This record gives sequence, structure tokens and C-alpha cells, in this order.
Amino acid sequence: QVQLVESGGGVVQPGTSLRLSCAASGFTFRSSPMHWVRQAPGKGLEWVAAISFDGANQYYTDSVTGRFLISRDNSKNTVYLRINTLRPEDTGVYFCANSAFNPWGQGTLVIVSS
Amino acid sequence: DIQMTQSPSAMSASVGDRVTITCRASQGISNHVAWFQQKPGRAPQRLIYASSALQTGVPSRFSGGGSGTDFTLTISSLQPEDFASYYCLQYSSYPWTFGQGTKVDIK
Repeated sequence: QVQLVESGGGVVQPGTSLRLSCAASGFTFRSSPMHWVRQAPGKGLEWVAAISFDGANQYYTDSVTGRFLISRDNSKNTVYLRINTLRPEDTGVYFCANSAFNPWGQGTLVIVSS
Repeated sequence: DIQMTQSPSAMSASVGDRVTITCRASQGISNHVAWFQQKPGRAPQRLIYASSALQTGVPSRFSGGGSGTDFTLTISSLQPEDFASYYCLQYSSYPWTFGQGTKVDIK
């Protein structure tokens, strides 16, 4: 069955960087676009970024363009999200999803605080 | 970018009620809409894709409809386990966008 496991979250200081990982199994990872979605505490879902199956194309929501970088390693069945110059408003749970958006991972919590 | 305006933002309903949630896209998106349910502390689950296709395993009391700019999610007879938040997602063009969400609670 499809399984997505996010990791890499934690409590970090503003201005620093962080790399989130999502390990995938149970489907043909190398054929699937992958996505990151985040959710601030008590708020709604926000689509953040996507990457094509081969990594050639990346897409971002406007508010993170230039600070976030999505990448993938098809040999490791893993997608990454690097967040640079972290801001308090980046606080939230970060989920990854495959092209079907079903199921999702359990998410990894990022808290940006000094 | 395509904006998804979801309404209502919250509602109170009783078990057995018929509930309808709407999403309006800022431009035509064909049928490229999915609906998700999220319970507190849990990851979202997809209910509907391609506007009206029911995800395998999702009860038939859930249905979706619409095309172009106006979309609906309907729960024909609300059950206790349906009290949750619901979100639409447009996947017609990048950047993809979610609606603001609808919280359905018990009246």
C-alpha cells in the first residue's frame, strides 16, 4: 500500500534553513509528480510546491518562490523540501503527497521561533 | 493564479441533515477539482476527484458536482463521523490552490 513518511521538522530559529524529507513506498515513485502542502496551526491547507516525475520541473506558490526548493531522488524514492531564511509564518505541519493525493503522509511539524 | 472561494467557512448541522459546500473558481477549470476531509490532528483524506468521482472506500452519501467555475460537495445524510473540516483543491494549473475550508460541527 502507498506510504509516505515525512521527517526533518523541528524547532528552528528565524533566518536559518531546513530540509524536509518524504520517503515513499507502495507505488511507482519515479513516475509520479510529488507535492508538498502545509498547514499553519489552526488554519487551512496551503499547497506549497510540486515537482515533475523526473525532477525537471518545479512549481511553487507565490509566497514561497525564491525561498523554497523542491527536489527528488528517484533512486531513493524520496522527495525533499528545502526551506531557506525561515520565518515565523513558516510554522506549521508539512505534508507530502503523490499525484493522487491519496493517501497523505502524517506530516512533519516545523516551528520557527527564537 | 486561480483563486478558490469556498463557502460557508463554518456551519452547524445535525445528524441526518443534507449538507452542501461550494467552491467557486476565479476562472474556468473544467472538472479539475478534488475534495478532502480532515479531522483534528489527522492528515486530510481525499473524498472526490475530477469533480464528481468518488474515491474508493468513501461512503456513497458523499457526492460532488460542477464544472467550469462552480463546484459542490454534498453529504446526503450527515453522520456523526462526518463532523470535520472540508477543503476543495483546484489542480487545473499551477500553482494549485485550496479553498479556505469549511468546518462542519454539531448543532
